[in-house]
Amino acid sequence: DIQLTQSPSFLSASVGDRVTITCRASQGISGHLAWYQQKPGKAPKLLIYGTSTLQSGVPSGFSGSGSGTDFTLTISSLQPEDFATYYCLQFKSYPLTSGGGTKVEIE
Amino acid sequence: EVQLVESGGGLVQPGGSLRLSCVTSGFIFSYYYMGWVRQAPGKGLEWVANIKADGGETFYVDSVRGRFTISRDNAKNTLYLQMNSLRAEDTALYYCVRYVRGNNYYFDYWGQGTVATVSS
Repeated sequence: DIQLTQSPSFLSASVGDRVTITCRASQGISGHLAWYQQKPGKAPKLLIYGTSTLQSGVPSGFSGSGSGTDFTLTISSLQPEDFATYYCLQFKSYPLTSGGGTKVEIE
Repeated sequence: EVQLVESGGGLVQPGGSLRLSCVTSGFIFSYYYMGWVRQAPGKGLEWVANIKADGGETFYVDSVRGRFTISRDNAKNTLYLQMNSLRAEDTALYYCVRYVRGNNYYFDYWGQGTVATVSS
């Protein structure tokens, strides 16, 4: 099974900050990585797929990068509505697996 | 507008069964793989099962294989998850997801979820 290690698990930041979340896979996943945002009481929302493709309707302040086993989600300037929990998921092989999540809170 | 609406959750004793349903609309259901993802209270996301567009192949996480069965009725645009021999650790919010497979692979739409609670 492919393990995804997400870091940090918790992040305190201010509006306007640049935020970076990392996701490391236990083996290569050929770029088949997606990022999701989840707010309390809501279903996860797709932000980025295929490592770096922004889902339609997602603000351009979100970006994804990476290759091999190391991937990054960046929020260029944190907005009030961005405070949420973020997950990476790999779609390279079954079982599909998720990182443990990163909770972004207001500093 | 794509919609996924789950139902069928509830409280069940250990060893019991539940059947979850996901009624879909707004897209051609028979064209897409579909799946279920669950989230235990206060925990992260766990993929449970996927099914091919024609229902001809299914995939499961090891912890549910042999106990859960994913199926679909393309005439009714509906996805199912039959859950048998339920355990306390199956307690979770269960999301129905649409699975996109092409140059990239991802879950693009999620339902609002239905809660399954396994407790005596």
